[in-house]
Amino acid sequence: DTEVTQTPKHLVMGMTNKKSLKCEQHMGHRAMYWYKQKAKKPPELMFVYSYEKLSINESVPSRFSPECPNSSLLNLHLHALQPEDSALYLCASSQVWGGYSNQPQHFGDGTRLSIL
Amino acid sequence: EDKVVQSPLSLVVHEGDTVTLNCSYEVTNFRSLLWYKQEKKAPTFLFMLTSSGIEKKSGRLSSILDKKELFSILNITATQTGDSAVYLCAVEARGTSYDKVIFGPGTSLSVIP
Repeated sequence: DTEVTQTPKHLVMGMTNKKSLKCEQHMGHRAMYWYKQKAKKPPELMFVYSYEKLSINESVPSRFSPECPNSSLLNLHLHALQPEDSALYLCASSQVWGGYSNQPQHFGDGTRLSIL
Repeated sequence: EDKVVQSPLSLVVHEGDTVTLNCSYEVTNFRSLLWYKQEKKAPTFLFMLTSSGIEKKSGRLSSILDKKELFSILNITATQTGDSAVYLCAVEARGTSYDKVIFGPGTSLSVIP
């Protein structure tokens, strides 16, 4: 088990559904991340929140909507997804983003998402 | 364009063998290089390297960075079946408007008894 908790572990949804992925950490980290990982591929960065403010949106489609209610929680709201969005969605956190923190990111176990 | 390359992409060895995994990178404004191990779920952190020539060790694993030649190696000695995993190399770099994390494709290591 990791110190970054993601729920649900698995999610199957239709293209018209609305669902949310959740991520929680209690390490006092102030940066949280969403990654997308396709099978046999490395993680790709989607969003970065630093001190609860969105710092990076790497041109991710608007059908993915992140939310950071507080420093411990990170959500990813999903709406009208496409079959190619099926992937493992990883949440990570680190002490800070940017600057020279010399601290790595800690990953959650991920949510395996399947779009029908 | 920033990129991270790993080699080999896959490797099969016998228990007890020593393996060397390679990571090379081309990024602007390099900050750090990280190694992760990924089994079925979350990548787990192994090493963060920021300075050239300083070896980091953890048990049977060690890693070193060469910032002049832009590469890093991850060594695993006396391999065990539990070392079977994908080993990911990632580079953090400072971008013009935001910072980046770029992962390599990973090396899939299989250790057979």
